[in-house]
Amino acid sequence: NAGVTQTPKFQVLKTGQSMTLQCAQDMNHEYMSWYRQDPGMGLRLIHYSVGAGITDQGEVPNGYNVSRSTTEDFPLRLLSAAPSQTSVYFCASRRSGGSYEQYFGPGTRLTVT
Amino acid sequence: QQPVQSPQAVILREGEDAVINCSSSKALYSVHWYRQKHGEAPVFLMILLKGGEQKGHEKISASFNEKKQQSSLYLTASQLSYSGTYFCGTGDPAAGNKLTFGGGTRVLVKP
Repeated sequence: NAGVTQTPKFQVLKTGQSMTLQCAQDMNHEYMSWYRQDPGMGLRLIHYSVGAGITDQGEVPNGYNVSRSTTEDFPLRLLSAAPSQTSVYFCASRRSGGSYEQYFGPGTRLTVT
Repeated sequence: QQPVQSPQAVILREGEDAVINCSSSKALYSVHWYRQKHGEAPVFLMILLKGGEQKGHEKISASFNEKKQQSSLYLTASQLSYSGTYFCGTGDPAAGNKLTFGGGTRVLVKP
């Protein structure tokens, strides 16, 4: 199993550009989520999904869109990049329910200039 | 609402003990603990569930106090490998058990 994979690992964008961060998991997990982590800070939930076709907002959803057309994939779209979106983005997945460990991807380091 | 962790940072000598606290303003149903090494993704340590069930696979223990809406992580006889940032996450069963994390506690274990 590859676990949770994210691409790209690094990305530099200019203000106003859009892009999609890719996330995939091969563990057949129902639940997937996106977090951002600013330097020296905690993990803030952007969006999450409890299954294909179902998504919902987390704590900091503004400026980001998600969709979940398959169980395996959960892409995160930045609509119009801003310097405030410079961060490390982690995708995570787990089985549904509150008693299962969450697996994190390796992260995408995004810089917006 | 994010849980609140304390302390923000702690420095230990190898073999010393430490306690990290995680407090929530809402009722607790599940508490997850993760450790993150510098430049890496967070890694699972433990889950504590309402009712006392505990799942984990490391030699680190934790407690869950429903009444106080608090969980504590105990680092006993710390090793150099315990260094990192520890995060607690609380699950919300009313929202798909989404996991909301605290701000983290930085732990540095020195020889």
